[in-house]
Amino acid sequence: GQQLNQSPQSMFIQEGEDVSMNCTSSSIFNTWLWYKQDPGEGPVLLIALYKAGELTSNGRLTAQFGITRKDSFLNISASIPSDVGIYFCAGRFGGADGLTFGKGTHLIIQP
Amino acid sequence: GAGVSQSPSNKVTEKGKDVELRCDPISGHTALYWYRQRLGQGLEFLIYFQGNSAPDKSGLPSDRFSAERTGESVSTLTIQRTQQEDSAVYLCASSGSVTETQYFGPGTRLLVL
Repeated sequence: GQQLNQSPQSMFIQEGEDVSMNCTSSSIFNTWLWYKQDPGEGPVLLIALYKAGELTSNGRLTAQFGITRKDSFLNISASIPSDVGIYFCAGRFGGADGLTFGKGTHLIIQP
Repeated sequence: GAGVSQSPSNKVTEKGKDVELRCDPISGHTALYWYRQRLGQGLEFLIYFQGNSAPDKSGLPSDRFSAERTGESVSTLTIQRTQQEDSAVYLCASSGSVTETQYFGPGTRLLVL
């Protein structure tokens, strides 16, 4: 089946630093999504990408849909304590498909 | 309600027992998805409902797993003869259509002893 490789697995950074994480796939996806999950909660959508090459921002977050449709990255600028959590990339090939998720990047911010 | 709700929040059961998990989607959402999240892992797609169409069961791990949905409302995920490997968080999501954003519920944490 389709697999998403997400890296890094975890990040330990200082408050105020920029963060970058990425996802790669062996298969093409037509939609890339980035979610954040806090402990005890379901994932919350951060950014959705629908076109190859698309670059989208949401506040301090920026994500890009790779040209080959097999990769995506998420950047967080000037990290703050509430950015702590697990970030998941997810891909979907067809409109009716369930999402394929990466294993997550655990972001930890040291004061 | 404002979001997707799931019940129970937590469920502890003995190996071999059946469990039923419930999902209430956002009102008016036609698409409903079930996912499983094992500890420290990403989400695995289980099953998808869209309106009155036959569900996409391609992600169900075994015939012990089944799900039903009545119209465009509540869905139940049933796991029969639970095994310890079934321990996970079971998440439900709904969307306005198959191409729209999926909104997730808080999940049901299942522990099989």
